[in-house]
Amino acid sequence: AQKVTQAQTEISVVEKEDVTLDCVYETRDTTYYLFWYKQPPSGELVFLIRRNSFDEQNEISGRYSWNFQKSTSSFNFTITASQVVDSAVYFCALSEGFSGTYKYIFGTGTRLKVLA
Amino acid sequence: NAGVTQTPKFRILKIGQSMTLQCTQDMNHNYMYWYRQDPGMGLKLIYYSVGAGITDKGEVPNGYNVSRSTTEDFPLRLELAAPSQTSVYFCASSSYSLNPTGTEAFFGQGTRLTVV
Repeated sequence: AQKVTQAQTEISVVEKEDVTLDCVYETRDTTYYLFWYKQPPSGELVFLIRRNSFDEQNEISGRYSWNFQKSTSSFNFTITASQVVDSAVYFCALSEGFSGTYKYIFGTGTRLKVLA
Repeated sequence: NAGVTQTPKFRILKIGQSMTLQCTQDMNHNYMYWYRQDPGMGLKLIYYSVGAGITDKGEVPNGYNVSRSTTEDFPLRLELAAPSQTSVYFCASSSYSLNPTGTEAFFGQGTRLTVV
């Protein structure tokens, strides 16, 4: 069965600190996709990154970086030099490709508070 | 650039009333989804559709119904509103793809529903 676990309910950091948000997933499929979304206080869901199970390359986009490790079923998200605008709830999600439905299963989210 | 549009944005219902949450997308996506987000929680899948005329239950379908008569529209119906249905409802869509890069879900702005 699909499952996404975000064990960190809430994290508080001071501005300019680095912070890592953890995501652990479970799936029986060999083809699957992982995602991170940001939900700012305004409530909308903002797509951040997509990664497929064939590609374990880490990715960096500005202050954001993602570490995908199939061996530990983890897809962690690091924000470098955090800023107040990074304060939001961050969701990790999993979608299994060949089940044919592309359902997106979400973790419970990690609330990040960046203090000035 | 409309993307996924949900109406209404806010609604207060009395117990036992019915209503339809509207969702339309202009990206010609095959797949559409309804999620609910309870306070401090992740997103739970209510119903999804893989194409016009095809719908299926998600994780929490009780108390809801859907239809998909066109590719663009995927309304969610609450027949007898209950306080437990107080939540934020998100509609999403994605394109079916066997491309190894997969595809993310695009979300609407959400509907905040309160049942009193």
